[in-house]
Amino acid sequence: AQKVTQAQTEISVVEKEDVTLDCVYETRDTTYYLFWYKQPPSGELVFLIRRNSFDEQNEISGRYSWNFQKSTSSFNFTITASQVVDSAVYFCALSGNTGGFKTIFGAGTRLFVKA
Amino acid sequence: GAVVSQHPSWVICKSGTSVKIECRSLDFQATTMFWYRQFPKQSLMLMATSNEGSKATYEQGVEKDKFLINHASLTLSTLTVTSAHPEDSSFYICSARWQPNTGELFFGEGSRLTVL
Repeated sequence: AQKVTQAQTEISVVEKEDVTLDCVYETRDTTYYLFWYKQPPSGELVFLIRRNSFDEQNEISGRYSWNFQKSTSSFNFTITASQVVDSAVYFCALSGNTGGFKTIFGAGTRLFVKA
Repeated sequence: GAVVSQHPSWVICKSGTSVKIECRSLDFQATTMFWYRQFPKQSLMLMATSNEGSKATYEQGVEKDKFLINHASLTLSTLTVTSAHPEDSSFYICSARWQPNTGELFFGEGSRLTVL
């Protein structure tokens, strides 16, 4: 069975602080994809990143960075110098080949960035 | 590219009526679409997998007769909430896979259903 755990329900930081959102996953698939999505208050889901199981390279995109560690089954997301506009719910998701690439989501982490 | 459009964005209906939500892939063909439901302050729960030209595959616990899914073409899937009741009020989100084997999903804007 596949599972995504986001243990942090809510995080509150002050603007310009760095913040890391944790994601731990479980899967028996050999081929799988990990995702992060942002859901602002307006409700739409915004795709942030996709990482496949064969690519453990970390990635940086502006203030965002991702750390994929297969050894610990984690795919953590760091926002550097957070801004108020980063306030949203962030979902980590997993999609595996034996499940027909159905995507399951973690519970989400609600991030509050205060000015 | 890879735009998915959902309509309507929000709908209010009376208890007992049926509501149809459309999900369209605007610039690509999607053989598979997925329907999710999201309760307030909760995660997205997969309801069903919609396959073009065949019956939808429902997740355990999802009532097939309550949530009718039709995927009549490669660019359109519909979700009909039949005989809606207040407990069906929720945020419904569709998604489509652009490339068959990557698993990456593109999401519609979501439809907020309120049943009075």
